[in-house]
Amino acid sequence: GENVEQHPSTLSVQEGDSAVIKCTYSDSASNYFPWYKQELGKRPQLIIDIRSNVGEKKDQRIAVTLNKTAKHFSLHITETQPEDSAVYFCASPSRGQNFVFGPGTRLSVLP
Amino acid sequence: KAGVTQTPRYLIKTRGQQVTLSCSPISGHRSVSWYQQTPGQGLQFLFEYFSETQRNKGNFPGRFSGRQFSNSRSEMNVSTLELGDSALYLCASSSDGGRETQYFGPGTRLLVL
Repeated sequence: GENVEQHPSTLSVQEGDSAVIKCTYSDSASNYFPWYKQELGKRPQLIIDIRSNVGEKKDQRIAVTLNKTAKHFSLHITETQPEDSAVYFCASPSRGQNFVFGPGTRLSVLP
Repeated sequence: KAGVTQTPRYLIKTRGQQVTLSCSPISGHRSVSWYQQTPGQGLQFLFEYFSETQRNKGNFPGRFSGRQFSNSRSEMNVSTLELGDSALYLCASSSDGGRETQYFGPGTRLLVL
């Protein structure tokens, strides 16, 4: 089945700096890659997603890039703010399981 | 549109008991997926229901079961609870599961004593 790896597991950045989280997947047939943000005690919230027919997608300070050849996709957050502190999950479709999620990255934005 | 709702939000049970959790998807969504979230194992897929039929199933024992009603509301049941079943149980709805965007409910936090 699909295997999703996510790095780093924890990330600390200074406010205003950029943060990058990378995920790799194994199923070359995967074609949709969402990113979720989960704040403490809250539900995972979709923040951005990308389909395999594009290489990059941006939404204000957040962007996702996809490299289908290398089978990896990355989340980029620019000008980080304290409210960006959360756990971020990537996901990839999996035959028979809907989605397989990465183990998560705990992002801390230091003031 | 109203979001995904789950009831109850918190539950405390003892080993050996059973529990039923409920999930109401976004109006118009026919797919409901269930996940177990624990600090050590992350988000683990339990099963997906689509149009009242179980379409996909994860690697959980038969003590975990579910169903979906004609209005797309879904329930999951855990029988003979074990301490290790303590977790946050999340449901997610989508228009068609699989490769479509999933929207999560707030979760039910289950504590087994």
